[in-house]
This record gives sequence, C-alpha cells and structure tokens, in this order.
Amino acid sequence: EAGVTQSPTHLIKTRGQQATLRCSPISGHTSVYWYQQALGLGLQFLLWYDEGEERNRGNFPPRFSGRQFPNYSSELNVNALELEDSALYLCASSLASLAGGPNEQFFGPGTRLTVL
Amino acid sequence: AQSVTQLGSHVSVSEGALVLLRCNYSSSVPPYLFWYVQYPNQGLQLLLKYTTGATLVKGINGFEAEFKKSETSFHLTKPSAHMSDAAEYFCAVSDFGDMRFGAGTRLTVKP
Repeated sequence: EAGVTQSPTHLIKTRGQQATLRCSPISGHTSVYWYQQALGLGLQFLLWYDEGEERNRGNFPPRFSGRQFPNYSSELNVNALELEDSALYLCASSLASLAGGPNEQFFGPGTRLTVL
Repeated sequence: AQSVTQLGSHVSVSEGALVLLRCNYSSSVPPYLFWYVQYPNQGLQLLLKYTTGATLVKGINGFEAEFKKSETSFHLTKPSAHMSDAAEYFCAVSDFGDMRFGAGTRLTVKP
C-alpha cells in the first residue's frame, strides 16, 4: 500500500512569490493535515481538510491557504512568500475522525521550501 | 486549549542504557496522546498512542509510555537504548483532527 506522497521534494522560491505544495493521501483516507516544521520551532499545525472542507486552521496568516480535491488529494498555497516561510512542510492523512476519537495520522516525507 | 510540553530538547544516553523522554500535557477533555519519531530527512512515524483503556501503552521498537492522569504526564521509555534509536521524538495531543505537537526531543545514543 502506497504511503502519503508529497511533491515536490524541494522547492526554491524568492521573496514575494507564490508556492504550491501537493499531497496525496493514503487510499481510503479522507482527512489531510498540513504542518510547518521550521528550524527551532517544532511542528506547527497549519490546516485540516476533510471531505473537501476546511475543518480547522492553526495560527497562520491568510496567505497560507489550501484546498482538498474530490479525490482527497490536497494543495497548500503560500502567497507573498517571506524568508521565514522557509521550512519543511509535512502532510499527513488519516481515516475520518469518529466519535471514538482521532485516528492515527500518517505522514509524508515533506516538501522543503526555501525562500531566498 | 490543549498543548504538550517536552522537557529537554536534547537527551544523550549510552547504548544499552534506559531511555526516558518526558512529556506533560494540558487538556480540558480526556486527552488522546501520541509519540512520534522522526529520523533525519524523513517524515514522522507513529511509535504509540493512548486513547482509552490501559494506561501502559506498548509501541514499536521496544518503546512504551504510561499515561498518568494525576501527573498529566505521558513519558516515553525504553529499557535499553540502541544506536538506531537516535532520532527526534515528538509528543502530541489531539482531539478531532487538531494535533498539537511538542517542540521535540533529540535523542543521541553514544556507543
């Protein structure tokens, strides 16, 4: 069974540009999560999508946005890039959360975004 | 709001020694707690999780963690460290879809 895949592996942009990161969840998973892992700041929750809807977002400005497609894959868009956006962006997927509690999140290898 | 605090950003042990990585949580509802491991240049892999039931949870690679409500802790242990355990370890707390991670603890294993 294929795991969570992310593309591209590396992305280099200049300040002010836009970046688009892509994520394909494990087959059968309907929830997709995005995290930012910046040096020295740990993992910060960005966005949660489930069944095409944004369910929750972390404490990030509106220039961080995304969407989930009917096939449950997802895009993360970062507009007006700033130097501090340089980080590893991790995507995770899970089965839909049920009344019994959250399901395990399976992580992809990440996209390393460098803003020059 | 729920959160976790990992005590110690770096832990160094000798091969064969006990591994103890500390995690304390804050949650207004019964917590769901997780430990993940991240090897260099890789994503995160689940080690173990606590949802309900038995408070001592066994995970992969010989790791285990004990949920202690009175201490609001979920410390990760392994009786005997192996060189391959060197990695970054993250404690996390979650309700529905909103997983909050600790800052991480980098484990170094000395020969």
